Amino acid sequence: QITLKESGPTLVKPTQTLTLTCTFSGFSLTTYGVSVGWVRQPPGKALEWLALVYWSDGERYNPSLQSRLTITKDTSKNQVVLTMTNMDPADTATYYCARRDSLSPSNHYFDYWGQGSLVTVSS
Amino acid sequence: AIQMTQSPSSLSAFVGDRVTITCRASQGIRSDLGWYQVKPGKAPNLLIYAASTLQSGVPSRFSGSGSGTDFTLTISSLQPEDFATYYCQQDYNYPITFGQGTRLEIK
Repeated sequence: QITLKESGPTLVKPTQTLTLTCTFSGFSLTTYGVSVGWVRQPPGKALEWLALVYWSDGERYNPSLQSRLTITKDTSKNQVVLTMTNMDPADTATYYCARRDSLSPSNHYFDYWGQGSLVTVSS
Repeated sequence: AIQMTQSPSSLSAFVGDRVTITCRASQGIRSDLGWYQVKPGKAPNLLIYAASTLQSGVPSRFSGSGSGTDFTLTISSLQPEDFATYYCQQDYNYPITFGQGTRLEIK
């Protein structure tokens, strides 16, 4: 059974750095073709892709936020960590982590998601 | 970045109705399109990938079609559990982009 779960602070202050952890089970980020990404959804707004880390150590970022994002993985702990610097109230959102497996039928689509972690940015 | 535009933004329908949601890409994306269902407090659910392939475990009342720039998601007979927000997502190139969502409400 594949599961993903996001964890991290529910409240951060403006200008602070957010660190979110995605802990997963049922698959390995050392397996060829597997990647884990982060997607966020501000209240009442659309989904926005943030970043992706691959089994091969490669990374991809949304250019609109790239300067503020870092995604890393710890394969021994089955975790992916996203850090976002200089947080702003506009970054208030539910943050999801999700898996992709390019060798599965669903290929490059996010086939398993966590339930999300609501992060509020406020002083 | 490829812009994805969904219509309508919201939709009211009865249980049993057939509904169609459209998604238009700002440039051709072949069939590199997925559809997701999102409910509050729950993990998003992949419904359709590669424009028309039903994800395993998804009911057959969901179907997708289209290629190039114009795509549709159809629910053939709405069930109470289908009331949610639906998003299209292009996988043609980076950055990955989503549509703005279509909120499906009970009439």
